[in-house]
Amino acid sequence: GDSVTQMEGPVTLSEEAFLTINCTYTATGYPSLFWYVQYPGEGLQLLLKATKADDKGSNKGFEATYRKETTSFHLEKGSVQVSDSAVYFCALSGRNTDKLIFGTGTRLQVFP
Amino acid sequence: DTAVSQTPKYLVTQMGNDKSIKCEQNLGHDTMYWYKQDSKKFLKIMFSYNNKELIINETVPNRFSPKSPDKAHLNLHINSLELGDSAVYFCASSPWRGADYGYTFGSGTRLTVV
Repeated sequence: GDSVTQMEGPVTLSEEAFLTINCTYTATGYPSLFWYVQYPGEGLQLLLKATKADDKGSNKGFEATYRKETTSFHLEKGSVQVSDSAVYFCALSGRNTDKLIFGTGTRLQVFP
Repeated sequence: DTAVSQTPKYLVTQMGNDKSIKCEQNLGHDTMYWYKQDSKKFLKIMFSYNNKELIINETVPNRFSPKSPDKAHLNLHINSLELGDSAVYFCASSPWRGADYGYTFGSGTRLTVV
């Protein structure tokens, strides 16, 4: 079945460092891909998404590119802030389905 | 205005009790979901309803029963609570067949069974 694999955390960075969180997927067809962020004590918020190959999703300085050839959707940010500390989830959905499948989440900790 | 609201936010109860969690969305979405997040933050879908009709029912004990009185509400009732039911339960919504638009999540209900 469809699945998402994320790098294990926690990822610990100093403020202004470069961030990469790896995400790869297994799916039939051409899924849509998402990154969600969960701040402490809150629900998940959609961070960015891409719906077809080579699309780049971006929001709040975060970017991810849908790479069909490597089945990847890595999350990047050029300069992280303390306020970016959260758990980040990669997810996919198949075409015309109702189900989002999530990775296990990666905790990011940013220190001043 | 909260788009997807869940109540209660925290629920502490004893084993064997029956409890309900309520969810309401004001986004006009057709589809609503319940997800369970375990202590390791892993998220797994439990149920999905579209306009009051059950469309996804994953392998969940039948002690869990969702109820959707209308398309804006999806409640979760749990009978005979067990220690392993302790988790954070998230409600979410999306347009019909719109998982690829992304979900809107509620802020979660932390259930602790003692």
